[in-house]
Amino acid sequence: TQLLEQSPQFLSIQEGENLTVYCNSSSVFSSLQWYRQEPGEGPVLLVTVVTGGEVKKLKRLTFQFGDARKDSSLHITAAQTGDTGLYLCAGARITSYDKVIFGPGTSLSVIP
Amino acid sequence: ETGVTQTPRHLVMGMTNKKSLKCEQHLGHNAMYWYKQSAKKPLELMFVYSLEERVENNSVPSRFSPECPNSSHLFLHLHTLQPEDSALYLCASSGDRAGGHEQFFGPGTRLTVL
Repeated sequence: TQLLEQSPQFLSIQEGENLTVYCNSSSVFSSLQWYRQEPGEGPVLLVTVVTGGEVKKLKRLTFQFGDARKDSSLHITAAQTGDTGLYLCAGARITSYDKVIFGPGTSLSVIP
Repeated sequence: ETGVTQTPRHLVMGMTNKKSLKCEQHLGHNAMYWYKQSAKKPLELMFVYSLEERVENNSVPSRFSPECPNSSHLFLHLHTLQPEDSALYLCASSGDRAGGHEQFFGPGTRLTVL
């Protein structure tokens, strides 16, 4: 069983649509990061959330950390083709230093 | 150079070859990581170095041998690999063990083992 689960695994939408992807776990995390990875490249950090219930906005992207710090969501408004990529969440466990656990990712394809 | 760089970007090797992957970070970070990314699988943490000391070895086969000569450089020495070792190998660095674990990745080395 994976420590971090992400859903959906794949998502294909039209440009201009809204979408939400989810990151869930039964473990509590001290912090959680979201990354975007484009084909042939390494993941790029988008945001870090630390406080339960925290909401952060990055232009059209809204990130939320669950109250219990076990889950998170990423909402994209009016998706653009440039949003295409693999979205990874990663949690730092309270009981483990220097170890970040990655989810399997959501592969997003935005069609013009 | 800025950020995290990796060389080579692509590598094809036979099972009997010996090769090395190189990673360099220009961010002044204290920790460096090797990850393996295979198709349809989550990122797998292989090794963690903190202040040049290996603090994590995630049950990686001995045909993978890491080396961290200083806090800016990280190597992954490869020998007698298997075809199932073909994957994208990512290097990452982070600033501080207590600092939120934000990781900065290099572009990766796409390894193909024939």
